[in-house]
Amino acid sequence: SYELTQPPSVSVSPGQAASITCSGDKLTNKYTSWYQQKPGQSPVLVIYQDNKRPSGITERISGSNSGNTATLTISGTQAVDEADYYCQAWDSGAAYVFGTGTKLTVL
Amino acid sequence: EVQLVESGGGLVQPGGSLRLSCAASGFTLSRYAMSWVRQAPGKDLEWVSSTNYLGTTTYYADSVKGRFTISRDNSKNILYLQMNGLRVEDTALYYCAKDHSSIDYSCFDSWGQGTLITVSS
Repeated sequence: SYELTQPPSVSVSPGQAASITCSGDKLTNKYTSWYQQKPGQSPVLVIYQDNKRPSGITERISGSNSGNTATLTISGTQAVDEADYYCQAWDSGAAYVFGTGTKLTVL
Repeated sequence: EVQLVESGGGLVQPGGSLRLSCAASGFTLSRYAMSWVRQAPGKDLEWVSSTNYLGTTTYYADSVKGRFTISRDNSKNILYLQMNGLRVEDTALYYCAKDHSSIDYSCFDSWGQGTLITVSS
């Protein structure tokens, strides 16, 4: 089965950039999406096809994918960005695969 | 506006059955693959099952294969998940999710609010 691995937690100071990685075998050959989930809420798609933002998502959020690692970057991090973030890819053998999730803390 | 409203959750004993429903509105259900995703309390998201836009192709996570059945009624704009042989480890909030692409499988651009399944004796 296909697996996506994320760091359990990332901490960032307000105003600084936060980067969350997602690692998987030859991940660059797959489109990676990212979801933001705040406590008690449903997940929200924030990046799809590696680097596209859905309508209404802040321009401070961006994505990239190269080699075995996809990266979600939040520039000028704010308290409102504090949430759990999940990467996700489609694999022909495993269907939809979610990453292990990262808790972003804004200190 | 896309809306997905799940129902059918509740408390069930191990070995029991439940059927979840997801009422879709604000888009043409028959154009999109649909899925169920679950999240155990305090845990990560786990994909459960998906169906293509017609309901002719289905996918299941290994953890539910043989016990759960996904189906859809595009004429009624409803997605279903029949859950049999429920186990304690199936306890979770179950989300209905719409695929972003109308061509293939990609990601989930809309989610319901979830319905809670608790499996306990």
